[in-house]
Amino acid sequence: DGGITQSPKYLFRKEGQNVTLSCEQNLNHDAMYWYRQDPGQGLRLIYYSQIVNDFQKGDIAEGYSVSREKKESFPLTVTSAQKNPTAFYLCASSIGESNQPQHFGDGTRLSIL
Amino acid sequence: QQPVQSPQAVILREGEDAVINCSSSKALYSVHWYRQKHGEAPVFLMILLKGGEQKGHEKISASFNEKKQQSSLYLTASQLSYSGTYFCGTASTGFQKLVFGTGTRLLVSP
Repeated sequence: DGGITQSPKYLFRKEGQNVTLSCEQNLNHDAMYWYRQDPGQGLRLIYYSQIVNDFQKGDIAEGYSVSREKKESFPLTVTSAQKNPTAFYLCASSIGESNQPQHFGDGTRLSIL
Repeated sequence: QQPVQSPQAVILREGEDAVINCSSSKALYSVHWYRQKHGEAPVFLMILLKGGEQKGHEKISASFNEKKQQSSLYLTASQLSYSGTYFCGTASTGFQKLVFGTGTRLLVSP
């Protein structure tokens, strides 16, 4: 079955530590996205990529980094510069055009120890 | 700028109808609607495009007023499974960089 896989489901970070969230898709989609969701809030765009080896900052990119070396993969690193990283992180992919839906993974819940 | 959704929350009895609104301050190319249950991934419901084209769910309908930059989602004869948080996502260009609203929480009770 085609879909998006995020791992791990739960992640804990110590102070000063970088952590990487994995996102893999087998839908052959060109575009991929990372969103952050805080309790009772909507989804806020962190980074997005329209094509391999290219990505752009979203609305809240500070303290995060990404790479897009393969079409299937779009990992997100939460760096120690992100002072409030506790949130639910969602990865999505799409064909990229505005008349097509985004498909979401099941999310990673990140907490601070 | 983030689109504004109203109402923020609504409680229905099974079988009742509801309308959820999404309003943007920017000119829109498309409006996307998703439903999310607690702790789960958002699920696609509907896309409305500038010019009137729609794609989506058989049992849920929606409208898109381009001049007012507003969209409404119509949930008729609600079922228990309709419970969740509904988000609209708006795009101002043909590329799908969406800005999501803060959501409308819907609870359908028996």
